[in-house]
Amino acid sequence: QKEVEQNSGPLSVPEGAIASLNCTYSDRVSQSFFWYRQYSGKSPELIMSIYSNGDKEDGRFTAQLNKASQYVSLLIRDSQPSDSATYLCAVMSASKIIFGSGTRLSIRP
Amino acid sequence: GAVVSQHPSRVICKSGTSVKIECRSLDFQATTMFWYRQFPKQSLMLMATSNEGSKATYEQGVEKDKFLINHASLTLSTLTVTSAHPEDSSFYICSASPSDEQYFGPGTRLTVT
Repeated sequence: QKEVEQNSGPLSVPEGAIASLNCTYSDRVSQSFFWYRQYSGKSPELIMSIYSNGDKEDGRFTAQLNKASQYVSLLIRDSQPSDSATYLCAVMSASKIIFGSGTRLSIRP
Repeated sequence: GAVVSQHPSRVICKSGTSVKIECRSLDFQATTMFWYRQFPKQSLMLMATSNEGSKATYEQGVEKDKFLINHASLTLSTLTVTSAHPEDSSFYICSASPSDEQYFGPGTRLTVT
């Protein structure tokens, strides 16, 4: 079992809709969780970090964490074409950040 | 957020030569930096953890004699790919952090001909 699992996609969402990205992790004692956005040919950019159960909102982005289910998600409201990218879920485990393989998101006009 | 730089951004070298990549934290000190490699359409793979003033910790399957890491100061880590071969062509990215959140450098695209 992979340590951090994501659906590879592509996930296609119409412009203006909500994009929902999901991630599960295996290390039950993990305490820190992150979402990164990576455009093609570029390095990852931190979007959100979340440390406690529940929702955390920042602009159009909402991260959700459920430690009991070992599940973290990212919602993007009012999706824009510029949101088209690969989204990487990351979990801190044993002082290292472990990345999922990423979900490719495509926003169609 | 914190700023991490890398140099060079792109390098082309001949097979058998060595290439050095620099990673700098510009507005914070980093006792630990991380080096990743990413092949096209694949995820980031952690290669090694660079520790200031001590030896790097390499992930399983990464040859420490081929990928030399030096972390001589709190703001600089270097990765040297020795005797590079075409299969070493990849996107190399470093990250560092003043806290739990990792910030990535812009990456170095290495092409070995």
